[in-house]
Amino acid sequence: GAVVSQHPSRVICKSGTSVKIECRSLDFQATTMFWYRQFPKQSLMLMATSNEGSKATYEQGVEKDKFLINHASLTLSTLTVTSAHPEDSSFYICSAGQSATNEKLFFGSGTQLSVL
Amino acid sequence: KQEVTQIPAALSVPEGENLVLNCSFTDSAIYNLQWFRQDPGKGLTSLLLIQSSQREQTSGRLNASLDKSSGRSTLYIAASQPGDSATYLCAVGNQAGTALIFGKGTTLSVSS
Repeated sequence: GAVVSQHPSRVICKSGTSVKIECRSLDFQATTMFWYRQFPKQSLMLMATSNEGSKATYEQGVEKDKFLINHASLTLSTLTVTSAHPEDSSFYICSAGQSATNEKLFFGSGTQLSVL
Repeated sequence: KQEVTQIPAALSVPEGENLVLNCSFTDSAIYNLQWFRQDPGKGLTSLLLIQSSQREQTSGRLNASLDKSSGRSTLYIAASQPGDSATYLCAVGNQAGTALIFGKGTTLSVSS
């Protein structure tokens, strides 16, 4: 099946710093990528939809200036958590569709962010 | 707004038991439904994908059914093993090309 690579898998940073998470589709082109966040014992919550070459669409309640998403190519989307704070500590995971209909979505392995 | 609910939240069974995990969704006009497995601190492993026109899908000891009209899906695990211990997530796709909407999951523990 299709592979989505996500890095880093784990990051610990100080409060106030910025953290970049990369999501790559290794063997297919992904027109659309999705970014989710998961707090402990909670469901995956959609943060934003990332479309190649255009601005991301953010879900209600997600600060677009804090969570910067760039989808500059068909195989790479990045999520930057700017000026991270302890409440941003969470599990972030991306997904990508293999076709325009996104019949099946493939997921990265996730990034555990801990902000001290 | 689509909402996905999974029951039970947690389940503990002895090895060898057959079990059923339940998923319900509020809007029956779905495009597809997927079951995933998530191990602690890890990403998602896709188990089964059911298109809206399908009634069930099978893979090894796993069988997932879909009843769109009642807004329900079940994941049946036969002859459970300790290695099946994980959180099982149900996710619904409302339309082609849109993100999946997830339930909170059922955490399964299979004891040997």
